Amino acid sequence: GENVEQHPSTLSVQEGDSAVIKCTYSDSASNYFPWYKQELGKGPQLIIDIRSNVGEKKDQRIAVTLNKTAKHFSLHITETQPEDSAVYFCAASITGTASKLTFGTGTRLQVTL
Amino acid sequence: GAGVSQSPSNKVTEKGKDVELRCDPISGHTALYWYRQSLGQGLEFLIYFQGNSAPDKSGLPSDRFSAERTGGSVSTLTIQRTQQEDSAVYLCASSLARGRYETQYFGPGTRLLVL
Repeated sequence: GENVEQHPSTLSVQEGDSAVIKCTYSDSASNYFPWYKQELGKGPQLIIDIRSNVGEKKDQRIAVTLNKTAKHFSLHITETQPEDSAVYFCAASITGTASKLTFGTGTRLQVTL
Repeated sequence: GAGVSQSPSNKVTEKGKDVELRCDPISGHTALYWYRQSLGQGLEFLIYFQGNSAPDKSGLPSDRFSAERTGGSVSTLTIQRTQQEDSAVYLCASSLARGRYETQYFGPGTRLLVL
């Protein structure tokens, strides 16, 4: 089955700096890659996703890149703010069949003032 | 509109007891998923319901775990004879399951503690 690895497990940046979280996946058939943000005591919330037919997607301060050949994808957060502090999860799935998501183990991002 | 809701939000039980966790998906969503999140870990897939199709139970860790979805809406996850290792946050998600890509929306989770 699919295996998703995520790095780093913790990341501390100063407010205004950029943060990058990287994930690799094992199943070349995976074609959908969402990123979720989880705040303390809450369920994960989708922040951005990318399909296998594009290499990059941006939404304001958040961007995601996908390299299908290398089977890795990354989340980039620019101009970080304290409210960006949370745990971020990457995931992968093969849509059109059983669309269960395989998640990475999460990255705890701390944005310091 | 209303998101995915789960109840109870917290559950403390004694080892060996049975527990039922409930999920109310977003109205109109035909797909429903259960995941488990252990302390400091990622999310582990448990079971997936899609319309009237047979559920995908491939993630259930043992036969003590079962789930049903009545009327294509509300779902209940049951854990029989709970063990301490069952302590985790149980998350439910739902999606429209239309088109090629189906965004999953998560509920707040039920925090289960088995003493």
